[in-house]
Amino acid sequence: DVKVTQSSRYLVKRTGEKVFLECVQDMDHENMFWYRQDPGLGLRLIYFSYDVKMKEKGDIPEGYSVSREKKERFSLILESASTNQTSMYLCASSQQIFTEQYFGPGTRLTVT
Amino acid sequence: AQRVTQPEKLLSVFKGAPVELKCNYSYSGSPELFWYVQYSRQRLQLLLRHISRESIKGFTADLNKGETSFHLKKPFAQEEDSAMYYCALFSGNTGKLIFGQGTTLQVKP
Repeated sequence: DVKVTQSSRYLVKRTGEKVFLECVQDMDHENMFWYRQDPGLGLRLIYFSYDVKMKEKGDIPEGYSVSREKKERFSLILESASTNQTSMYLCASSQQIFTEQYFGPGTRLTVT
Repeated sequence: AQRVTQPEKLLSVFKGAPVELKCNYSYSGSPELFWYVQYSRQRLQLLLRHISRESIKGFTADLNKGETSFHLKKPFAQEEDSAMYYCALFSGNTGKLIFGQGTTLQVKP
């Protein structure tokens, strides 16, 4: 059974803090993705990775960075959290870039 | 520009009524389209993709290239269909999946 896990379901951080969101998949998928999900805006791609140590910017990369040191793990980093980064963050993975994406349960991040 | 538009934020129907969730896209190439669904307290998951031409949980979606649409339809809605539905377009140019804004379907008893 396909499984994507995210390190936290809920997270509360203060403005200016460095925040790490972790995602792990156990399907040996090549591709991994980070999205943020906001009401009325749908899902917007932050970064994606098609191989270990490779990363590509998505549509809204500003204020974020990523790390993929191992195939199964893709981390999203907020260098200095701001209140406008309060959102639901979804991680996903896929075998091929154009095939079904499998999503994690999401991390609801609140920045105060 | 590559774009997916779901014009309705909320669609509310009664159980047994037909459902049509609208999706329009803008893409210059040959589109590859998906519908994803998120039930309450569950993770986002694939419902169907146009290339497979399947019917999943009674839902179908036909690609209409002339109208650049990929509407999701079901003849008789069930309460368990209540969820958030996202239409998505795969962009071969960029390797990205572009999502619409989402439509909440509410099926009333």
